[in-house]
Amino acid sequence: DIQMTQSPSTLSAYVGDRVTITCRASQSISSWLAWYQQKPGKAPKFLIYKASTLETGVPSRFSGIGYGTEFTLTISSLQPEDFATYYCQQYYTYPYTFGQGTKLEIK
Amino acid sequence: QLAESGGGLVQPGRSLRLSCTTSGFIFGDYAMSWVRQAPGKGLEWVGFIRRNAYGGTTEYAASVKGRFTISRDDSKSIAYLQMNSLKTEDTAIYYCTRHIPVAGHDALDIWGQGTRVIVSS
Repeated sequence: DIQMTQSPSTLSAYVGDRVTITCRASQSISSWLAWYQQKPGKAPKFLIYKASTLETGVPSRFSGIGYGTEFTLTISSLQPEDFATYYCQQYYTYPYTFGQGTKLEIK
Repeated sequence: QLAESGGGLVQPGRSLRLSCTTSGFIFGDYAMSWVRQAPGKGLEWVGFIRRNAYGGTTEYAASVKGRFTISRDDSKSIAYLQMNSLKTEDTAIYYCTRHIPVAGHDALDIWGQGTRVIVSS
């Protein structure tokens, strides 16, 4: 199985900050990576697919980049509603696997 | 557009069937996955079912293979997750998700609100 490792596990930041979350795959997944946002008590929300393509309706302050084994999610200017847990997921092959999550907290 | 049901409290070793009722899209045109989240933990993919046009075949995570079965009824726009021989470690919120195909690889674009399964004696 392909292992997905996110860093950091927890990130504290201020509103307006620029933050970056990293996701590494244990083997190449080409660009078959998605990012999800989950708020407490809610289902995950689909943000980005194919490493860098924003889902319709996702604010442009979110961006993704990467290929192969290393990927990043950047939020350019944090808004209060962005504080949540973020997961990466590879869909290159089955079984699909997720990173362990990065909890983005308000500083 | 996706609504899970059927969760609840069940004893170890027993069975439970979850349903995912869909609306707003042509169900038969999409593969569907189930993803679970244990209390305080991350997301774990459980398995998926292909479209009937691709045989309606299934794939499962090793942790559930042989115990869980995913099926679909395109006439009712419902996906099912039959869970047998349940273990305490199957306790989780179970989400159904829709696959969105992109050049032969599917991301998971729509998620239900989840249904809670508690396996305990």
